[in-house]
Amino acid sequence: GQQVMQIPQYQHVQEGEDFTTYCNSSTTLSNIQWYKQRPGGHPVFLIQLVKSGEVKKQKRLTFQFGEAKKNSSLHITATQTTDVGTYFCAGPGGGSEKLVFGKGTKLTVNP
Amino acid sequence: GAGVSQTPSNKVTEKGKYVELRCDPISGHTALYWYRQSLGQGPEFLIYFQGTGAADDSGLPNDRFFAVRPEGSVSTLKIQRTERGDSAVYLCASSAYLAPYEQYFGPGTRLTVT
Repeated sequence: GQQVMQIPQYQHVQEGEDFTTYCNSSTTLSNIQWYKQRPGGHPVFLIQLVKSGEVKKQKRLTFQFGEAKKNSSLHITATQTTDVGTYFCAGPGGGSEKLVFGKGTKLTVNP
Repeated sequence: GAGVSQTPSNKVTEKGKYVELRCDPISGHTALYWYRQSLGQGPEFLIYFQGTGAADDSGLPNDRFFAVRPEGSVSTLKIQRTERGDSAVYLCASSAYLAPYEQYFGPGTRLTVT
């Protein structure tokens, strides 16, 4: 079945450093979603990317969808302690509106 | 407005017992999803409802798991003859018809089978 892989699994940075997480799908995706889960919390929708090569920005967060629509990245500029959490990418599971999630990248920020 | 709510927040049960987990989606959301999340993993799809019907139940691990949504709003996930391997956080999400992949998650029910 479809697989969504994320790297790295963990990332520890000093506050102010940049952070990037990468997502790769085993199949071409019609769209890709990014979610953030704070420690002890539930996943919260961040953004959806639909077009090949699409780039979207949300303040310090930059999301990119690959040209082949099989990979994506999330880049955070100048991390803050409020960025702590696990970032998941998710793609449609095929045939329905279910999502297939990656294992996530857990970000910790040292103040 | 109110988000997705789930009850109970925690459930401890003995192996072999039956449990019901409830989800109350955002008002007006026609789609409802159940996921299961184990420690260190992403949410794993279980079942998806569009209205009252199960549109996709391909993620249910076996016939001990069953879910209903009789009136197209509240849903109940039912697990029979629980096993220790069923221990996880069970997440419910809902979405609007025109934005199916923008899913709003509830706080989850942490199920522990002893």
